[in-house]
Parts: sequence; structure tokens; C-alpha cells
Amino acid sequence: QKEVEQNSGPLSVPEGAIASLNCTYSDRGSQSFFWYRQYSGKSPELIMFIYSNGDKEDGRFTAQLNKASQYVSLLIRDSQPSDSATYLCAVIPFGANNLFFGTGTRLTVIP
Amino acid sequence: DTGVSQNPRHKITKRGQNVTFRCDPISEHNRLYWYRQTLGQGPEFLTYFQNEAQLEKSRLLSDRFSAERPKGSFSTLEIQRTEQGDSAMYLCASSPVRGLSYNEQFFGPGTRLTVL
Repeated sequence: QKEVEQNSGPLSVPEGAIASLNCTYSDRGSQSFFWYRQYSGKSPELIMFIYSNGDKEDGRFTAQLNKASQYVSLLIRDSQPSDSATYLCAVIPFGANNLFFGTGTRLTVIP
Repeated sequence: DTGVSQNPRHKITKRGQNVTFRCDPISEHNRLYWYRQTLGQGPEFLTYFQNEAQLEKSRLLSDRFSAERPKGSFSTLEIQRTEQGDSAMYLCASSPVRGLSYNEQFFGPGTRLTVL
């Protein structure tokens, strides 16, 4: 079982819609959860992190964490074509120092 | 620019040659990480340093790979006797040791290696 699993997509949404990206993780003791955005040919860019159960909002982005269900999600409101990228979910399991990444979900926002 | 920098950005080499990559972390960050990413996959951890000490190595880091961070600042990753399977994007990230952001890792632009 992989540490972190994501739907590979692709996910397409119209401009202005809400994009919902989902991720599950296997280590119940994980404490730190991250969302990275990666444009084609570029390196990952940290856009959100969340450590506690519940929601965390930053501009158009909301990260949601449910430790009981081992589930973390990212909502992008008012999606823009510039949001088109691959979104990587990453987790630091208990006792680890490095990130474990999912394979990413490719998002396309259609103008 | 105060972000993580990596050099070179691209490297094309022939199978069997040695290559070395350099990473300069964000200046106040004590932790430095190396990851490798192949097409369609998320980055995979290779190794990490806290200051000059290499504290962890992944089993992905075969004997042909070696990493150093001699003065606790920049780091180098060397691959000896490259193989075609080494073709990937090599990513460096850094994070502070303490403070509210201690777990947040920031990536450099990467070095894309192509082994012919």
C-alpha cells in the first residue's frame, strides 16, 4: 500500500467553478500535510499546509483534514486557467523527516 | 533571489559517465533534502542533511549515489557510472529546523538529467 494516494485525474472544471482534489494516506500517526502545485516542466511549489483537523483557508484555497478518515483535500474556489497544473499531496508520517508524495492530480481549468 | 537554487538546470550525459549536481538552500535553512522525480510520479526522497550531517538515506540511494554538505551550506549530489534509469528530475528542498515553518520544504528549480 502506498503511503499517499491521489486520484490521478485528469480533472477538468470550467473557469469560475470549484475544483476539489482528494488524497488519502496510510500512516495514522501522520502529523503534517501539504499541497504542492507543479506546472509542467517546473518544480513543486508549496501552496498549502495543514496540521490540525478541520479547514484552513488561504485566499481561494481551502485545505481540509480529517485524521479519523485519513483524508486530506484541497478546494480551489473561482478556478482560473492559471490554476491548470498538477497538484501533489504530500505527508510526513510519524517519525519521518521527509515528504511522501502522491502521484499528483492533473487539473485543467477550461476558459 | 533568496530561494533554493540548483545547478546545472539541465545535464545530458552518456551512460557510464559521472555527474555532479549542486544545491544552494535558503540561507537560514538548516535542513536540506534531495528528491528524484520521474515522469508521471511524485518526487521520491533520496537523502537529507541537518547542517553538515547526513541523517537519512533512502534505499533508492544506491552505492553509485553520494551526497555531501561539507560546511552545512550548499550540497552536492554525485552519480557515478550513470545508467539510463537515472534519467529524472533531481530536486533539492530546504526547511528550517525550528519555528512554525520547520516542516515546510521549499523546492529549487531542479536539475533535469538525461542519460543517453
